[in-house]
Amino acid sequence: AQSVAQPEDQVNVAEGNPLTVKCTYSVSGNPYLFWYVQYPNRGLQFLLKYITGDNLVKGSYGFEAEFNKSQTSFHLKKPSALVSDSALYFCAVRDCGNTDKLIFGTGTRLQVFP
Amino acid sequence: SAVISQKPSRDICQRGTSLTIQCQVDSQVTMMFWYRQQPGQSLTLIATANQGSEATYESGFVIDKFPISRPNLTFSTLTVSNMSPEDSSIYLCSVSQLNTEAFFGQGTRLTVV
Repeated sequence: AQSVAQPEDQVNVAEGNPLTVKCTYSVSGNPYLFWYVQYPNRGLQFLLKYITGDNLVKGSYGFEAEFNKSQTSFHLKKPSALVSDSALYFCAVRDCGNTDKLIFGTGTRLQVFP
Repeated sequence: SAVISQKPSRDICQRGTSLTIQCQVDSQVTMMFWYRQQPGQSLTLIATANQGSEATYESGFVIDKFPISRPNLTFSTLTVSNMSPEDSSIYLCSVSQLNTEAFFGQGTRLTVV
């Protein structure tokens, strides 16, 4: 079965420092991987996706993610964190087969301190 | 991208009652899904809303508790029936076209008292 794991419940970063939010995956076949962000009292917003192609994927708000097949990871990164980046981040993988169902990780709360 | 309107945005309901949540999309979409996000937890798929046929439910979710309608390619409803406090969650509508990213409504925050 497809799954993703987010090993960190919370990540704390000082504003201006680089940030990394970790995600590892377990899939059969080629992985379709996604990152979403959830701000307080809001729905989920799409950040970026990996389906095929370059391992470094660039997304919204200056975020990027690196697909690493050997480490089965898809970590979310940003070179310089902003206080406004503080939110809940979810890694997700598309389920098997001809479907668009998503399987979500447990989420990582990012707190950026001024 | 798709613009998704979900309503109500929040509600407080008495136990034993039912609430119907609506999801309206500004364009025709192939796939529509309903997710639940319990307090402090991740998202769990309830069901896939199929246009013109019965929804496909995930393990642990049943039609009697969560009846779903999808009369056309732009609209769906989810009903939470015979509610109990354990049903207090955020319910999210999601849409996608095949092999593209999914888009989410702003969610319905349900509190059952």
